[in-house]
Amino acid sequence: DIQMTQSPSTLSASVGDRVTITCRASQSISNWLAWYQQKPGKAPKLLIYKAFFLESGVPSRFSGSGSGTEFTLTISSLQPDDFATYYCQQYNTYSTFGQGTKVEIK
Amino acid sequence: EVQLLESGGGLVQPGGSLRLSCAASGFTFSSYAMSWVRQAPGKGLEWVSMIISDGGRTYYADSVKGRFTISRDNSKNTLYLQVNSLRAEDTAVYYCAKDKGPNGIDVWGQGTTVTVSS
Repeated sequence: DIQMTQSPSTLSASVGDRVTITCRASQSISNWLAWYQQKPGKAPKLLIYKAFFLESGVPSRFSGSGSGTEFTLTISSLQPDDFATYYCQQYNTYSTFGQGTKVEIK
Repeated sequence: EVQLLESGGGLVQPGGSLRLSCAASGFTFSSYAMSWVRQAPGKGLEWVSMIISDGGRTYYADSVKGRFTISRDNSKNTLYLQVNSLRAEDTAVYYCAKDKGPNGIDVWGQGTTVTVSS
């Protein structure tokens, strides 16, 4: 099975900060990676697919990069609505989610 | 409006069974692969199972293989998850999800809660 490891687990940041979350795969997944945002009590929301394609309606401050085994999600200027938990998901072989990164207010 | 509406969750004893359903609307259900994803209380997301658009192939996480069965009825625009031999660690919110082709999940239901407890 492909394991996905996100870092950090928790990130404290302020509005306006540039934020980067990393996701590492235990083996190459090409660019079959998605990123999601989840707020408490709500279903996840797709932000990025195929490593760097922005889902329709998602603000351009979100971006994704990487291929193979290492990927990043970047928020260029953190907004109040962005405080949430973020998950990566591989879908190269079946599917696996990372353990999540909580972005909290500093 | 694209919508997924789950039902069938509840409280069940260890070893028990449930059948989860997901009614889809607002898109051509028969054209898309569908998945189930669960989230235990206070924990992260766990992919459970996926079924391709015509139902011809199914995939499962190791943690549920042999106990859970995913199926679909394209004539009723409905996805199912039969969950058997339930364990305490199966307690979770179960989300029905529409696959965006091979590009992640673009539509999620509101979730149905399964609680396994004696």
